[in-house]
Amino acid sequence: DQQVKQNSPSLSVQEGRISILNCDYTNSMFDYFLWYKKYPAEGPTFLISISSIKDKNEDGRFTVFLNKSAKHLSLHIVPSQPGDSAVYFCAAGIQGAQKLVFGQGTRLTINP
Amino acid sequence: EAGVVQSPRYKIIEKKQPVAFWCNPISGHNTLYWYRQNLGQGPELLIRYENEEAVDDSQLPKDRFSAERLKGVDSTLKIQPAELGDSAVYLCASSLGPTDRGYEQYFGPGTRLTVT
Repeated sequence: DQQVKQNSPSLSVQEGRISILNCDYTNSMFDYFLWYKKYPAEGPTFLISISSIKDKNEDGRFTVFLNKSAKHLSLHIVPSQPGDSAVYFCAAGIQGAQKLVFGQGTRLTINP
Repeated sequence: EAGVVQSPRYKIIEKKQPVAFWCNPISGHNTLYWYRQNLGQGPELLIRYENEEAVDDSQLPKDRFSAERLKGVDSTLKIQPAELGDSAVYLCASSLGPTDRGYEQYFGPGTRLTVT
């Protein structure tokens, strides 16, 4: 049972444009969500998070949107830069449980 | 501040052989996690420690996998005997606990295991 799903294995975006990565979840108990970025041969690094009490969180070029009714979240990167090329994982958890469930990842490629 | 350290970075073994992975978490992080990441998938939790105590090992295949975290700092994950299906990247992560940004976990670079 895949509780967190990233249905797009890959995404290609032109430099300077907006990148939108999507994530769906099934467990309504999840109340916080995180995005991680992973470069080859490195571990995932934290990017941005959002609590279920919010519907938007912004940090520089990165914005995460949460639609609880649709059980959907998205990560917007604008403008996209070549260094953003990486695999992006969304993860969901339950406050107090300290356990994250990860999606399969989306490989983002930024083309010059 | 040093990040999560893992060794070795790569390991190739024959099936039925034992293998061990080592992790040193970020100083002061009481919570330590071991994940397994199969090719094309996200990390999947194997075990979580709070200090020395394994508080969640429900996903650890206990017939061949074992882990320990002596003195609540470093941790070792062992597989004995290894099977072909164990080929994966084994990630260690640590966290401080709840912060303003949620339960952020810091990952090490991982150990890529290949079982032949």
